[in-house]
Amino acid sequence: EAAVTQSPRNKVTVTGGNVTLSCRQTNSHNYMYWYRQDTGHGLRLIHYSYGAGNLQIGDVPDGYKATRTTQEDFFLLLELASPSQTSLYFCASSPGGIYAEQFFGPGTRLTVL
Amino acid sequence: AQSVTQPDARVTVSEGASLQLRCKYSYSGTPYLFWYVQYPRQGLQLLLKYYSGDPVVQGVNGFEAEFSKSNSSFHLRKASVHWSDSAVYFCVNSNNRIFFGDGTQLVVKP
Repeated sequence: EAAVTQSPRNKVTVTGGNVTLSCRQTNSHNYMYWYRQDTGHGLRLIHYSYGAGNLQIGDVPDGYKATRTTQEDFFLLLELASPSQTSLYFCASSPGGIYAEQFFGPGTRLTVL
Repeated sequence: AQSVTQPDARVTVSEGASLQLRCKYSYSGTPYLFWYVQYPRQGLQLLLKYYSGDPVVQGVNGFEAEFSKSNSSFHLRKASVHWSDSAVYFCVNSNNRIFFGDGTQLVVKP
């Protein structure tokens, strides 16, 4: 049974649209992360959290909000989507911060027209 | 400054051949280093990690990596590749921040 799930798996929206990407983990991990992956490049950290109600800013946070409602659930919000946010988004969890192994979800492909 | 470089965007090898995927890191202290693999339409999965100790670390599915402080490298190796190893491989450095390399796409020819 998958320990990190993401929904939706694919999403198409228009410029200026409102999008919420969801992530749930059943690993009982404290840390959760949101990344974006652009073609031909590695993952870049958007936001992360070390517990419910906590939010830390990553390396590419502009245009993104995030909220950790429970230990299991972490949401990424794009309130005014732009074409530059077209990307593959991954959620991950880990037991101990960036020094520990991360467990990744299957990804959400977002297209902003 | 902290960074990770994977100089080979794509590597093609024949099934049964040996493999080396290169990774160079930039970090002045002792680095936390990982190799992850990404199969098509899936998330990343950990192959192996290095924190300290023996510079040769063993991972899953016959993969190993060798840490070299003098060369600032953490190359991934496998003695004999299988067609199912075709995937994208990422080298990662996690210290003050987390840096992913751009990935190396491995194509294994039958």
